[in-house]
Amino acid sequence: GESVGLHLPTLSVQEGDNSIINCAYSNSASDYFIWYKQESGKGPQFIIDIRSNMDKRQGQRVTVLLNKTVKHLSLQIAATQPGDSAVYFCAENPNNAGNMLTFGGGTRLMVKP
Amino acid sequence: KAGVTQTPRYLIKTRGQQVTLSCSPISGHRSVSWYQQTPGQGLQFLFEYFSETQRNKGNFPGRFSGRQFSNSRSEMNVSTLELGDSALYLCASSPGTGQDTQYFGPGTRLTVL
Repeated sequence: GESVGLHLPTLSVQEGDNSIINCAYSNSASDYFIWYKQESGKGPQFIIDIRSNMDKRQGQRVTVLLNKTVKHLSLQIAATQPGDSAVYFCAENPNNAGNMLTFGGGTRLMVKP
Repeated sequence: KAGVTQTPRYLIKTRGQQVTLSCSPISGHRSVSWYQQTPGQGLQFLFEYFSETQRNKGNFPGRFSGRQFSNSRSEMNVSTLELGDSALYLCASSPGTGQDTQYFGPGTRLTVL
């Protein structure tokens, strides 16, 4: 993902709708990907992860899709709730000898009641 | 299980000073990673410690250093502070078995005047 500084892309959705947040990653050697949610004044919170031997993984109300061909990740949130309002980051770990995350620039999700 | 804790939560320093930040990982986790978050550069990896050894290092100047103790607690130090060092410093812990899920603390907000 590209860093966009202060001007985060924003996705505005109606409560109850589904949300899709997209992310392009940079390193074709990356084999582990994570989505984090960050609320104001807090550290990033783990949502879901996926390894490169999968193209889809589901959690509770969330699904991550991985397209290695075009180096693209997406996070789908079903039945979006006001509590889902936050900044969402994708991260890739290109290092199989430890933890060294490269983060995308983030997307702000705003849920309208 | 208690989460990742970071102290202090807020810090104000002046240019030229040095600062030490502390991180206590989740019990049983052996890997601690540090990240810097700024509006302009986003989330950037500083370094990772595992078993008291630096296992990975990001692209930051030598003024940024860290260490890990035998109980897995970690500290990071920034010497000769610059205005641009103002940021949220985040610590993340993980079991340390390789590419595993990192859990973040709330961060230390450093302001350099």
